[in-house]
Amino acid sequence: EAEVAQSPRYKITEKSQAVAFWCDPISGHATLYWYRQILGQGPELLVQFQDESVVDDSQLPKDRFSAERLKGVDSTLKIQPAELGDSAMYLCASSPQGRTQYFGPGTRLLVL
Amino acid sequence: ELKVEQNPLFLSMQEGKNYTIYCNYSTTSDRLYWYRQDPGKSLESLFVLLSNGAVKQEGRLMASLDTKARLSTLHITAAVHDLSATYFCAVDRQGGSEKLVFGKGTKLTVNP
Repeated sequence: EAEVAQSPRYKITEKSQAVAFWCDPISGHATLYWYRQILGQGPELLVQFQDESVVDDSQLPKDRFSAERLKGVDSTLKIQPAELGDSAMYLCASSPQGRTQYFGPGTRLLVL
Repeated sequence: ELKVEQNPLFLSMQEGKNYTIYCNYSTTSDRLYWYRQDPGKSLESLFVLLSNGAVKQEGRLMASLDTKARLSTLHITAAVHDLSATYFCAVDRQGGSEKLVFGKGTKLTVNP
């Protein structure tokens, strides 16, 4: 069964450092999402791509976060510089257009 | 702004008992999802409810949607320990756009 892949699974960094997360969606899924999930909360959408285009990044803190999906397949989410409040689980999801989202295993980030 | 509220947030129940989790949302939507999350794991899709009156069942779980009342329920029948997890409802922010807003989740613990 096809799955969404994410790496790394865990990342520990110091504040002010740069971090990057990678996501490979299920093959053929045109829509890709990045979510942030703070411990004890539901996921919050950061950015949504349709192929290589950003559809919604209204919740993305653009002063420090960036996301790209250059060839419309895999995607990278970057934080620079990381802050203590960025500690969270970062989840990637993909879907065929207009259908159920399938989530990857997530990257758990700890900023010290 | 779409708000999604779940209750209860914490639920401890005995094996064999029945219970219902409620999901209320604040603005019109006709697409609602239920996900399950085990500790430290990603989200697993359980149900997608696409229309008023929709009911779906899988094993001991049954989900329903009342779009007029802006309410979905997740009913648990004869709970077993394996159902222990956090359950999230998520509502499509704009009908069919797949921009999901999640509730805070209901942490379910089923005790022997």
